[in-house]
Amino acid sequence: DSGVTQTPKHLITATGQRVTLRCSPRSGDLSVYWYQQSLDQGLQFLIQYYNGEERAKGNILERFSAQQFPDLHSELNLSSLELGDSALYFCASSLLSAGELFFGEGSRLTVL
Amino acid sequence: AQSVTQLGSHVSVSEGALVLLRCNYSSSVPPYLFWYVQYPNQGLQLLLKYTTGATLVKGINGFEAEFKKSETSFHLTKPSAHMSDAAEYFCAVSANSGYSTLTFGKGTMLLVSP
Repeated sequence: DSGVTQTPKHLITATGQRVTLRCSPRSGDLSVYWYQQSLDQGLQFLIQYYNGEERAKGNILERFSAQQFPDLHSELNLSSLELGDSALYFCASSLLSAGELFFGEGSRLTVL
Repeated sequence: AQSVTQLGSHVSVSEGALVLLRCNYSSSVPPYLFWYVQYPNQGLQLLLKYTTGATLVKGINGFEAEFKKSETSFHLTKPSAHMSDAAEYFCAVSANSGYSTLTFGKGTMLLVSP
């Protein structure tokens, strides 16, 4: 158990819809990262937050957004969903950047 | 910018044989290097990491990796494969600065046969 909690574990929705994925980092970790894992693209970094502020942005689509709340949990919002958004979305946390990341078990999104 | 190339999307070994998973990196600054393992339906778990100091790094489950700057490589090895080692392995790189994200390779699936 990494200590990182992601909900929901599985989500099935339709094209055009909007979903929210939630992540609770390990106790004490200030950084939260979101990654997308798909068969064709591998693990793609989406976005990082550190203590409530956006720290780095990767290959995140404009239809996607995220935030980190004062209690350090984070949410990833995916809107106007397309079939190609079907993937496993991982949240990871760390105390500091450039160190060991602790990954949650992921949220598997299926868009039909 | 950093990038990682993992040679071979699949590697097959027999139980008891040497495991060698290859990773080459590109980084404009001194890198931090990592190997993660992903078992089916689970998140990624850190196997080992290189930051500074000794270039031969030992990790969990008998794995080790050697940082070779001249070859820009960080290959993962284990002397004797076990059936439980079957999983997907990811090499990752970050810049050795205070705030740097991890860039992952595409992963290598290790298959272990009896």
